[in-house]
Amino acid sequence: GDSVTQMEGPVTLSEEAFLTINCTYTATGYPSLFWYVQYPGEGLQLLLKATKADDKGSNKGFEATYRKETTSFHLEKGSVQVSDSAVYFCALRATGGFKTIFGAGTRLFVKA
Amino acid sequence: NAGVTQTPKFQVLKTGQSMTLQCAQDMNHNSMYWYRQDPGMGLRLIYYSASEGTTDKGEVPNGYNVSRLNKREFSLRLESAAPSQTSVYFCASSEEGYYGYTFGSGTRLTVV
Repeated sequence: GDSVTQMEGPVTLSEEAFLTINCTYTATGYPSLFWYVQYPGEGLQLLLKATKADDKGSNKGFEATYRKETTSFHLEKGSVQVSDSAVYFCALRATGGFKTIFGAGTRLFVKA
Repeated sequence: NAGVTQTPKFQVLKTGQSMTLQCAQDMNHNSMYWYRQDPGMGLRLIYYSASEGTTDKGEVPNGYNVSRLNKREFSLRLESAAPSQTSVYFCASSEEGYYGYTFGSGTRLTVV
């Protein structure tokens, strides 16, 4: 079945450092791919998405590119801030499907 | 504000008690979902409703029942709570296709 694997955390960075959180997936067909962010005590929020190969999703300085050849959707940000500290979830939704499969989440700590 | 509203935010139950978690969305979405979030396990789908009048089991449905009362509301019922059901429960809604989910802020449930 479909699955999502993302790097284990926690990831600890200093402010203004470069961020990469790796995400790979297994799916038949051409799923849509998502990154969600969860701040402490809150629900998940959609951060960005990509719906086909080579699409780049971007939002709030975060980017991720849908790489079908490597089945990956890595999240990047050039310069993190303390306010980016949160848990990040990679997810996929099968074409025409109702359900979304989530990765286990990666916790990010950013130090001032 | 448009979105997904969950009640209650916190609840403590004794083993064997029953309760219903309420969820309502005002975005006219067809699909609604119930997930549970446990440390180290990401989000696991309990039940979902692709459209008004339909419900389907997800990954971990045992011990739960759901009702899609109308297009706006989707409730989750625990008939006889067990300590293993201690978790944070999230409701979400979505349109079909490649859209992401909108999540509620969650219900933190403790069963003692």
